Amino acid sequence: AQSVTQLDSHVSVSEGTPVLLRCNYSSSYSPSLFWYVQHPNKGLQLLLKYTSAATLVKGINGFEAEFKKSETSFHLTKPSAHMSDAAEYFCVVSLSGGYNKLIFGAGTRLAVHP
Amino acid sequence: DTGVSQDPRHKITKRGQNVTFRCDPISEHNRLYWYRQTLGQGPEFLTYFQNEAQLEKSRLLSDRFSAERPKGSFSTLEIQRTEQGDSAMYLCASSFQNTGELFFGEGSRLTVL
Repeated sequence: AQSVTQLDSHVSVSEGTPVLLRCNYSSSYSPSLFWYVQHPNKGLQLLLKYTSAATLVKGINGFEAEFKKSETSFHLTKPSAHMSDAAEYFCVVSLSGGYNKLIFGAGTRLAVHP
Repeated sequence: DTGVSQDPRHKITKRGQNVTFRCDPISEHNRLYWYRQTLGQGPEFLTYFQNEAQLEKSRLLSDRFSAERPKGSFSTLEIQRTEQGDSAMYLCASSFQNTGELFFGEGSRLTVL
């Protein structure tokens, strides 16, 4: 069965320092993987998606993620955090190639300090 | 604003009452999804429509829950005889065809007293 595990429930960084949000997935076949972001009182927004093309995926707002099959990981990174990056981040796996059912991780809350 | 809109944004009800949530998707999107999110958890899939057809339902969707999408436009999610365990944020999303990108509304928060 497909699932995702977000290894940190909270991450705190200083503005201008790198961000690393960790995600491991479990899938019986080649998965489609996503990162979504949820700002307070805002709808979930797609940051980036992996669909078996390039293993390094670039998203919006300077975020990127690397698909590593050998490690079953899809970690989200950003070289330099900005105050506006403070939000909840969800790693997501698609249950089927049709994207009809997305399985969300529990989320990682990112805090950015001045 | 032409995004996904949900109404009401907040609903407080007493146990045993019925509640209905409405979702208006992005107009050209033919797929519509309902998810439920409880505190500290990621959203959980409830059901999915393609146009007016409800194609998949989660086991989470008990008999007290019913969703409709008449004419393939807006959708409603009704919860009958609400229970305290139904307290959650109900999220609606829409997508165009099979792009893999869902556009989410801001959610309808239900509190059952």
